[in-house]
Formats: sequence, C-alpha cells, structure tokens
Amino acid sequence: NAGVTQTPKFRVLKTGQSMTLLCAQDMNHEYMYWYRQDPGMGLRLIHYSVGEGTTAKGEVPDGYNVSRLKKQNFLLGLESAAPSQTSVYFCAGSRGSGANVLTFGAGSRLTVL
Amino acid sequence: GQNIDQPTEMTATEGAIVQINCTYQTSGFNGLFWYQQHAGEAPTFLSYNVLDGLEEKGRFSSFLSRSKGYSYLLLKELQMKDSASYLCAVVDSNYQLIWGAGTKLIIKP
Repeated sequence: NAGVTQTPKFRVLKTGQSMTLLCAQDMNHEYMYWYRQDPGMGLRLIHYSVGEGTTAKGEVPDGYNVSRLKKQNFLLGLESAAPSQTSVYFCAGSRGSGANVLTFGAGSRLTVL
Repeated sequence: GQNIDQPTEMTATEGAIVQINCTYQTSGFNGLFWYQQHAGEAPTFLSYNVLDGLEEKGRFSSFLSRSKGYSYLLLKELQMKDSASYLCAVVDSNYQLIWGAGTKLIIKP
C-alpha cells in the first residue's frame, strides 16, 4: 500500500522551462491538494480538487495549473518556471474537506535557476 | 485577516516536558490539527481537537480553548526522535485549512 506518492523528488529547472509534478494515491481519497512550503512560512495551498474532473484555486495559484483526469492522480504543472517558484511541494489527500486528516506525499524539492 | 501564531523555535531536554502553544484568529472555527514534520519529510497527523478540553494520546496531549482562540501540544518524556517541527492548523468556516508557520523543537541530551 503506497499511500500518496509524488514524482519527481528533486528537480532543477532553468527560468522559463516547464515541468509537471505527479501525485498518485491509492487511498481512495476524494480530495487532493497541492501545497508549497517555504522557510518561515506555513504551508500554502496552490490548488485543490474535490473529486475526479474538478479543480479549484487555493491561496497562491498564479503560475501553476492542475488537472485531475483520474481520481487517483493529481498533476501540478508549471508552464514557465520562475525563481520565486523554488520551493518544496507537497501533495496531500483526504476523505473529505478540511476537517479530515491529510495524508501527505514525501515532497518534491524544486529549484528554479 | 486570518492568523495563526506559534513560537518559531523551542529547545527542551531529553526526558522533560514541553508545551508548544498555538493562538489563532480565523473566520470561523471547525477544528484544530497538530501535525509533526521531521526535517526533510512530510507532515504526519498527531491530533485533532474540535471541542474544548484535553485529548491525550500516549506521550502527546493536545488542548483546546475555543473562547480564547488557543491550543497547546504537550509532549511528555521527551525523546531525541521528537526533534521535529510541529505544525498547528485551523479549519475555518469554509472548511479550509489555515496553517501556522510551525515550531521547530530541538531536543538536547
């Protein structure tokens, strides 16, 4: 039972390049989230999904896009990476809305030069 | 605006007790979570409080006072493996999670 799996774990990009982070879960979670974590700041929600085929903006959505074509997968895309997007990205899943326990992936460390 | 305050860093001694405080000002309240995050790892669930009072779970306890907008996490019989960051998060009126910046706990022998 893998839980929540993120790929890749590490990536270095040049400014302007694009990339996609993949989150896969086998826990039958309806809700899935993408967060970024920066030093001295709390987790900030980028985008989230309340079910297959749905997505919604979080607190810091600019510069990111997401898709949830299948219930088990939630993709985070950066179309034109910027140094300000250097961060650690966490995917998480839950059975329901905010009052439910989140299960996080191991994180993806992205550096944009 | 919505705000969650936690101390940035705390130091405690192995075998001792430490209390990590969290105060919040949010638009509505539907519960408060504590998560533990070891360096370089993902956050993992510790506790959830929605009613006032103390919830005990082994060496860890969590307290909530909704009228004061206050919670604390109490760690007893500290072990070196408890060195981690502890994240406080509040569920607001829209059932969105609002996160504190976390408290880094350093345990010394």
